[in-house]
Amino acid sequence: DADVTQTPRNRITKTGKRIMLECSQTKGHDRMYWYRQDPGLGLRLIYYSFDVKDINKGEISDGYSVSRQAQAKFSLSLESAIPNQTALYFCATSEPGSSGEKLFFGSGTQLSVL
Amino acid sequence: QQQVKQSPQSLIVQKGGIPIINCAYENTAFDYFPWYQQFPGKGPALLIAIRPDVSEKKEGRFTISFNKSAKQFSLHIMDSQPGDSATYFCAADTGRRALTFGSGTRLQVQP
Repeated sequence: DADVTQTPRNRITKTGKRIMLECSQTKGHDRMYWYRQDPGLGLRLIYYSFDVKDINKGEISDGYSVSRQAQAKFSLSLESAIPNQTALYFCATSEPGSSGEKLFFGSGTQLSVL
Repeated sequence: QQQVKQSPQSLIVQKGGIPIINCAYENTAFDYFPWYQQFPGKGPALLIAIRPDVSEKKEGRFTISFNKSAKQFSLHIMDSQPGDSATYFCAADTGRRALTFGSGTRLQVQP
């Protein structure tokens, strides 16, 4: 069983629609993240949460919102989807390592906005 | 602007070759530099990481070289194999927020 589960795996939607991407984890980590991956741009941080009551914007938060429903659940919403939000979205959790934070990623959600 | 600049964007080597991927950063507050490996259809996974108090770290065939004065670090893959074909991301962290990733390098190791 996956430790970080993202649903759905693929989603096609239309411009202007509101959609939600969900993430749940069984690793017991407090820290959770949403990144998007675009070819040539790498992974860019959308939002992150260090605990249930702590939500922080990342470098590209405009057009997105998040909800941390519980320690294990962190959802990403696109209020009004637009075509340039077409990307591969990753949820991740992290734990402190001997050297630094170690991220554990889900398998991703491929989102297409038409 | 990208805080961690990664090059090259893609790389093709023959089996047994030593691919080198380079990253540069500007923020001197960064104090943790991991590399992540991503196979198609999967999320990235931590490969190896270094702190700036050492200049080199080896784990198996993977080595990070770190140059603090130049604000650069690189990943070397010794005796590369076709199974190493993947996308590699460098990253940096201050410990106070979240990892900042480079733009990624797509490595192909030919048999």
